[in-house]
Amino acid sequence: AQSVSQHNHHVILSEAASLELGCNYSYGGTVNLFWYVQYPGQHLQLLLKYFSGDPLVKGIKGFEAEFIKSKFSFNLRKPSVQWSDTAEYFCAVKGNAGNMLTFGGGTRLMVKP
Amino acid sequence: GAGVSQSPSNKVTEKGKDVELRCDPISGHTALYWYRQRLGQGLEFLIYFQGNSAPDKSGLPSDRFSAERTGESVSTLTIQRTQQEDSAVYLCASSLRLTENIQYFGAGTRLSVL
Repeated sequence: AQSVSQHNHHVILSEAASLELGCNYSYGGTVNLFWYVQYPGQHLQLLLKYFSGDPLVKGIKGFEAEFIKSKFSFNLRKPSVQWSDTAEYFCAVKGNAGNMLTFGGGTRLMVKP
Repeated sequence: GAGVSQSPSNKVTEKGKDVELRCDPISGHTALYWYRQRLGQGLEFLIYFQGNSAPDKSGLPSDRFSAERTGESVSTLTIQRTQQEDSAVYLCASSLRLTENIQYFGAGTRLSVL
């Protein structure tokens, strides 16, 4: 069965610091990869996705993620975080076994003003 | 509607009671998914529907859990004889079609079993 690991459960940064959140998955076939964000009091929203093509994908609000197939990774990055980026971030994978998403445990990001 | 709508937003019930959770997908979305999120954890897949095809029930944790969907509209998730470990946020998502993998989520139903 496929699984997704997010190694950082809690991250605290100051504004303007750079961000990288790790995501590794355990599925050897073709995958679709996603990052979702959940701001306080709001529902899950899609941040960015990778289906195929350029492994460096750009999403909303200045976020990007790089798919490295050899490392089974899809890390999320942002060069300079803002207080408004405080949220919980979830990495998700869809493999060929079905159409459901398999989610990581989430990373809570707190950005100090 | 503009987004995925779930009701109720909160549900408190006593152990052993049955509960029914409702999901209204985005209009025109043929695929509908249910997930569960326990406190401090990621989302766990429960079940998905695609049009009139047989649903994929592979994620349902026990036979106390069931779900129905009429055509491409509303879905209900039913939990019978609730247990304390059923306490979680139950999230519904829909996508335009099964091959369109972008899932749009509702705000969830927070279920508390006392």
